[in-house]
This record gives sequence, C-alpha cells and structure tokens, in this order.
Amino acid sequence: EVQLVESGGGLIQPGGSLRLSCAASGFTVSDNHISWVRQAPGKGLEWVSVIYRGGTTYYADSVKGRFTISRDNSKNTLYLQMNSLRAEDTAVYYCAKESDYVLDYWGQGTLVTVSS
Amino acid sequence: QAVLTQPSSLSASPGASASLTCTLRSGINIGTYRIYWYQQKPGSPPQYLLRYKSDSDKQQGSGVPSRFSGSKDASANAGILLISGLQSEDEADYYCMIWHSSAWVFGGGTKLTVL
Repeated sequence: EVQLVESGGGLIQPGGSLRLSCAASGFTVSDNHISWVRQAPGKGLEWVSVIYRGGTTYYADSVKGRFTISRDNSKNTLYLQMNSLRAEDTAVYYCAKESDYVLDYWGQGTLVTVSS
Repeated sequence: QAVLTQPSSLSASPGASASLTCTLRSGINIGTYRIYWYQQKPGSPPQYLLRYKSDSDKQQGSGVPSRFSGSKDASANAGILLISGLQSEDEADYYCMIWHSSAWVFGGGTKLTVL
C-alpha cells in the first residue's frame, strides 16, 4: 500500500529554517517524481517543488532560492529544506507522488507556522 | 492575471448537475493542456478525480464515479468538471490544475455547496 507521511512542521520565527520530511512506503522514491504542495490556512493549493526520478528539480517562483528539495534513497524519504522563512510560508505542506503525470497519492500534511 | 481562474463558489441541489469551470489566462491555449481536477474535503488532502485533454485523451481516477466527467469549452478557453446526480457527499472544494512552464499550477478552487 502506498503511503506518504510528512513530518517536521512546527512554529518557527521569520527568517528561520526548517526541514520537512516525507517518508514513503509501498513504492520507491527514487523511481518516481514527487512534489511538495502547500495550502495556507483557509486558502487554495499552491505547488512548491518537484524532484524527478532522474534528480531534476523545479521550484515555484515564490520559493526559488530559499527552498531545496532532495531525497535520501537509503531511507526512501523526501525532504524540503526551507530557509529564510516568511509569514506567507505558513501552510500545511503535503508531499504527493506522481504517476503517469497525475499527483495520485498525497500525504496527510504537516503544518508550518511562521510567526514571531 | 492568474493562470487558472475558478469561480469561488457554486451551489446546486441534490440530484441536479453542477458545471465547474476553470478558465485559462488569455494567451494560454487550452487545446494543448491536460486539465486535472481534484476534490478536497475539510481536514483531508486533495483526491484526484480525473484529467481531460480531449475525448481520446482522458482518464478517470481510480474509484471515481462516472457521474464526474471532464470536458472543454474551447470558445471560452476553459476546462469543465461536470458532476451529475449531485449527492450531499459531493460538497467539497474542487481544484483544477495544469502543468505549465515547468510547474504544476492550481486554480483558486471552487467551493461546491449541495443544498
């Protein structure tokens, strides 16, 4: 069974850093494209980043230069390193697996709150 | 102007049909895009419903009832999610999505109320 479990969220001050994890089971992270998608409280979905199985990465303009997506194949885990955090980064962060150009499996999300 | 625009809300009665639109920004030709649709209920992650590019290039999500269907209105440069035989459980937020300029882009979402 495919499962994605996010962790690492919490309360962080503006300008701080946080690393989110997405532990995968039921499939191999390195064989799939996986995205991070976020949702600010009461707002819509916003795609953040993707890492392709070949290692290529893409980022939304809103996080480019501040966030880094990576994976640890030995742990079958995806990461999102978030630096220089801003209040507008406050959101639930989901990881989502892509199959046949579809974001078909999503985790339950982890909440990041950027506030002083 | 946003890449994808969705009406913020829509209401419909049980048993009726609801047509949710997703309009692409002027200059972006809908003919070249697959339009993806997701349903999200409070406190849960989005769930994939279907994707539609043409009648020969479409896909229904696993377990998604056939009363959910996709189409396009080329004259309006819009994708459409049609939900027929509305049920109370269809009350949710609905998002459209495309792959554009090396990024997944979501519409702002439509809150569907079934009453």
